[in-house]
Amino acid sequence: ETGVTQTPRHLVMGMTNKKSLKCEQHLGHNAMYWYKQSAKKPLELMFVYSLEERVENNSVPSRFSPECPNSSHLFLHLHTLQPEDSALYLCASSQGGAGSYGYTFGSGTRLTVV
Amino acid sequence: AQSVTQLDSQVPVFEEAPVELRCNYSSSVSVYLFWYVQYPNQGLQLLLKYLSGSTLVKGINGFEAEFNKSQTSFHLRKPSVHISDTAEYFCAVSESYGNSGYALNFGKGTSLLVTP
Repeated sequence: ETGVTQTPRHLVMGMTNKKSLKCEQHLGHNAMYWYKQSAKKPLELMFVYSLEERVENNSVPSRFSPECPNSSHLFLHLHTLQPEDSALYLCASSQGGAGSYGYTFGSGTRLTVV
Repeated sequence: AQSVTQLDSQVPVFEEAPVELRCNYSSSVSVYLFWYVQYPNQGLQLLLKYLSGSTLVKGINGFEAEFNKSQTSFHLRKPSVHISDTAEYFCAVSESYGNSGYALNFGKGTSLLVTP
């Protein structure tokens, strides 16, 4: 157990569905992240939450919507996705500024859009 | 934006042989550098990190990396690999976001395949 838990591990959804990915950490970290990992591509940073400030990558489509209700939980709400959104979605958390502690990653949610 | 380039997409190596996985970064300011490993169907696990001080950094599982500022490199090495080291390896650099946040920018990864 890495300390960061993601659910579900696998998700298959149709393009008209609405679903949510959940991430939970009990490490006392103050920042959480969503990354998208597609085959043969670098990990793409999607969203950052740090000290309740959300910083997002402007290239993320609006069909992805993050929510961070508290420092321990992070959600990624999905709606009207496209097949190219199929990927491994990784959540991570960290403590400290300027990357001094690195990340703790969850095991990811494997998303397939049909 | 700060970025990293992993020069090799795949590195095949025989068991007990040495290995070097290459990483170059682009930055003109102080950087924090990381190496992560990803085993199949798992998230990423931190191998080692460079923040400051000694340029030779030792990590878990016998890996080490050397920070070279003049060459803007942070290559990962292991003197003798095991079958269990077969995995995907990612180099990453830290970048600031907003007033208090930061995030890691990752390279494309290097697939290390260790064979008997």
